[in-house]
Amino acid sequence: DTGVSQDPRHKITKRGQNVTFRCDPISEHNRLYWYRQTLGQGPEFLTYFQNEAQLEKSRLLSDRFSAERPKGSFSTLEIQRTEQGDSAMYLCASSAARRQNEKLFFGSGTQLSVL
Amino acid sequence: KNEVEQSPQNLTAQEGEFITINCSYSVGISALHWLQQHPGGGIVSLFMLSSGKKKHGRLIATINIQEKHSSLHITASHPRDSAVYICAVRSGTGNQFYFGTGTSLTVIP
Repeated sequence: DTGVSQDPRHKITKRGQNVTFRCDPISEHNRLYWYRQTLGQGPEFLTYFQNEAQLEKSRLLSDRFSAERPKGSFSTLEIQRTEQGDSAMYLCASSAARRQNEKLFFGSGTQLSVL
Repeated sequence: KNEVEQSPQNLTAQEGEFITINCSYSVGISALHWLQQHPGGGIVSLFMLSSGKKKHGRLIATINIQEKHSSLHITASHPRDSAVYICAVRSGTGNQFYFGTGTSLTVIP
C-alpha cells in the first residue's frame, strides 16, 4: 500500500500526558498537511509543510502543539499536556506541488481520546 | 461565517434517486475538491475542479467560478454511496484548504 499512512490509529491518554502521532506521506509528495476533525465538523487546518519547511500554522493552534518534518519525508505531530478538548481525529494529507492543483490524499487518521 | 458552506447537512434518499449536494464558498480559490468520508474516518478525494464539469461513473461535479458555487450530483444512487461528502477549497495562494462541515448522505434500499 503506497498511500498516506498514520500511526497509531487510536490513542487513549490521560489528561496532562504528551502524545505523538506519525504520518508517512506518499513518497513523491512534498506537501504535507495536518488537520483535526471533531464529530460533525469538517477537517480543521492545523499546519502545512513543503518539504521540511513548516510554512504555515493555524492561529488556533496553541503552543502545546508542535509538528516536525525533519527530512521532508515523514512528519510527527506532538501534543504536550493534553486536555480533554484535544480529543479529535487527527488527519494527515499529502500532495505533490509540481502543479498547483494536485489532489489531496488523506491518511486514515489517528483518533485521540483524552480522559 | 465559514469560508465554505454546504447544503443540505443531512440527506436521506431512496435507492435510485438523483442526488444533489451544494457547496458555496466566499474566498478566492485555485481549486475545489469533493471528498467522500466513510464511517471510521477514511477520506477519499473524488474530484478536483478549477472550472467546468467532471464526471466519474455515476458522480458528476460542476463548478461556477463567478457564482462561487459547486454541486456534486449522484445519479442512480445506491446504498454504498452512503457517506459524508465534504467540499474543500484550496485558497488562491495554494497554501491552505478550507473545508465545509459535510453532507451526511444515507441511501435506503
